[in-house]
Amino acid sequence: AQSVTQLGSHVSVSEGALVLLRCNYSSSVPPYLFWYVQYPNQGLQLLLKYTTGATLVKGINGFEAEFKKSETSFHLTKPSAHMSDAAEYFCAVSPYSGNTPLVFGKGTRLSVIA
Amino acid sequence: NAGVTQTPKFRVLKTGQSMTLLCAQDMNHEYMYWYRQDPGMGLRLIHYSVGEGTTAKGEVPDGYNVSRLKKQNFLLGLESAAPSQTSVYFCASSYPSGGHYNEQFFGPGTRLTVL
Repeated sequence: AQSVTQLGSHVSVSEGALVLLRCNYSSSVPPYLFWYVQYPNQGLQLLLKYTTGATLVKGINGFEAEFKKSETSFHLTKPSAHMSDAAEYFCAVSPYSGNTPLVFGKGTRLSVIA
Repeated sequence: NAGVTQTPKFRVLKTGQSMTLLCAQDMNHEYMYWYRQDPGMGLRLIHYSVGEGTTAKGEVPDGYNVSRLKKQNFLLGLESAAPSQTSVYFCASSYPSGGHYNEQFFGPGTRLTVL
C-alpha cells in the first residue's frame, strides 16, 4: 500500500528565505507524485506533478520539486518565500496504474515571517 | 467552466439529523471522491466513484452513504449525524487514468458542524 510522510506539520520561514517542504513516499511501483496547496478556507489546488520523464518538476508560483527514486522523496522548494505563500501544502502519491485514489500526506503548514 | 461545486457551503446539524451534501462537476470527469479534513489528520477518503452507478468505500466510510446516479453529480449522505462527523468535507473529481496520472480537481468545501 502506498503511504506519504510529510516531515514537519509546521514550517516557518522568513520572507525571502528558501522554502523546503519534505515529502517521502512508499510505493511498490513507480509512482505519480503531486503537491497541492490549500489557502485558508479554500479547496486544494494543484501546484505541480511528476508523472514520467524529467525528475525536476516546475510548478506555479515559483515552486519546484525533484523526484528522487533512490531516496523515495519528492521535496518541494522555492528559492525565495513570499508572504502570499503562507498556506497548507499536501503531498500525494498515486501508483503508476493510476486507478487508485491519491493517498495524501497529513500536510505541512507554511508560515512566512516578515 | 465552474469546475467542482459543492452545496451547501456551511451547515449546522443536531445529533441524529440527516443531510445530503451535493457535489457537481462540469468537466465530464469519470471519477469523483469525497474527503473529510480534520486538523492534524490531513485528507481522509470517505467514498469514491469510478463511474455513474458505481461507488466504493474509502478509508473512513462508516456513517456515510453515497450515490452517483448521474455522471456529473456525487451525493454524500449522513444518515444519523454524530458530533464526530463535524469536519470540512471536500469533493474532488478526475478523469480516467488508464495507466496515467490521476490529478484531482477539488471543490471549495462544506463546513459541517454537528451539535
